[in-house]
Amino acid sequence: SAVISQKPSRDICQRGTSLTIQCQVDSQVTMMFWYRQQPGQSLTLIATANQGSEATYESGFVIDKFPISRPNLTFSTLTVSNMSPEDSSIYLCSVDTDAYNEQFFGPGTRLTVL
Amino acid sequence: QKEVEQDPGPLSVPEGAIVSLNCTYSNSAFQYFMWYRQYSRKGPELLMYTYSSGNKEDGRFTAQVDKSSKYISLFIRDSQPSDSATYLCAMKDAGGTSYGKLTFGQGTILTVHP
Repeated sequence: SAVISQKPSRDICQRGTSLTIQCQVDSQVTMMFWYRQQPGQSLTLIATANQGSEATYESGFVIDKFPISRPNLTFSTLTVSNMSPEDSSIYLCSVDTDAYNEQFFGPGTRLTVL
Repeated sequence: QKEVEQDPGPLSVPEGAIVSLNCTYSNSAFQYFMWYRQYSRKGPELLMYTYSSGNKEDGRFTAQVDKSSKYISLFIRDSQPSDSATYLCAMKDAGGTSYGKLTFGQGTILTVHP
């Protein structure tokens, strides 16, 4: 398994500002993912972040709104830019273990935009 | 039609009951099947992971995959109040441009009452 931490665990932000969420893994992994879970909903993939390449975004998500960095094999950041109340969600990072294809999730960042 | 369908419940059972949770899917490319448990205000926790058709047992939990029917199940024996959570099915294909991407069901809210 993999142990994943996220910072911050929660935040309350004002409309129009940006927030950067950090994801740290206790082992080196190739594939990291960012998901969004809106209130009472299931998880939706935002983007795939592989070290050494540009992030790949899913339909409906764009780099200008959700820029992602992946500087090494244990760390990634997701920025939620120019926030609106519709961005209020839980943001989760996950990793795919290279050997077994299992995917593990971090504890999530609970974002509220006023 | 969603790629993965899961009855959101809620499902309420007495302690000790056998619980059956199910998902159907439409994408025949899915090869890996997972069940996650998510407690309130926590990230999803990987419970069971199976590849292709068949059964897998781990303690009180049994996962079944029937690829011919595009149907997966999770059984919980001797359910406990601590099993009260949201259960999410998730699946992914074996490669290609969507490698690693998990597609989730809506989640089933389970309550086990003493």
